[in-house]
Amino acid sequence: AQKVTQAQTEISVVEKEDVTLDCVYETRDTTYYLFWYKQPPSGELVFLIRRNSFDEQNEISGRYSWNFQKSTSSFNFTITASQVVDSAVYFCALSVRAGNNRKLIWGLGTSLAVNP
Amino acid sequence: ETGVTQTPRHLVMGMTNKKSLKCEQHLGHNAMYWYKQSAKKPLELMFVYNFKEQTENNSVPSRFSPECPNSSHLFLHLHTLQPEDSALYLCASSHTSGFLYEQYFGPGTRLTVT
Repeated sequence: AQKVTQAQTEISVVEKEDVTLDCVYETRDTTYYLFWYKQPPSGELVFLIRRNSFDEQNEISGRYSWNFQKSTSSFNFTITASQVVDSAVYFCALSVRAGNNRKLIWGLGTSLAVNP
Repeated sequence: ETGVTQTPRHLVMGMTNKKSLKCEQHLGHNAMYWYKQSAKKPLELMFVYNFKEQTENNSVPSRFSPECPNSSHLFLHLHTLQPEDSALYLCASSHTSGFLYEQYFGPGTRLTVT
């Protein structure tokens, strides 16, 4: 089976707390790509990061960081010192082979509420 | 205008109406997509266009009819919809199709079928 699991449906934190959003994936492919997107209340999904399966380096971008671990098939996303503007639904997605093409498998998303 | 724009943002239509959703991207991308987003379901890919040619139709009912006159514009023509078609319809674009690269999304059209 090829799938993406975001086990946390909803998370609520208080501003300035750190929060980690989990993403666990399943695939038989050796070459695949992982993405995180943010969907604020305005509706549009905003691209955050793309990672290919051969690059296991962790990534940090400001208050955002990503921990990619192939051994546990996880690609977790941490927001440090959360802010109210981080409130959104966050989606993890997996790009895998589908015959001669590729397909994108989406998780169900984690709704993050950051309270003042 | 920058990024991906969609109009209208909200649409209420009866089951016998015909309406169209419009999407425009200002990013110089060659691939465009329609997605349906419903509560508690994964994002559903509907159609993919690459260089104006449809490359994917994910078993979408014929009451949804896409049109891509050029690489910057994408339409979704709607007719004889059902209440279960009520959802957020998102348009996206990317450099090329194939899901190797990130997509850029519009704000969506919130569709309600009465």
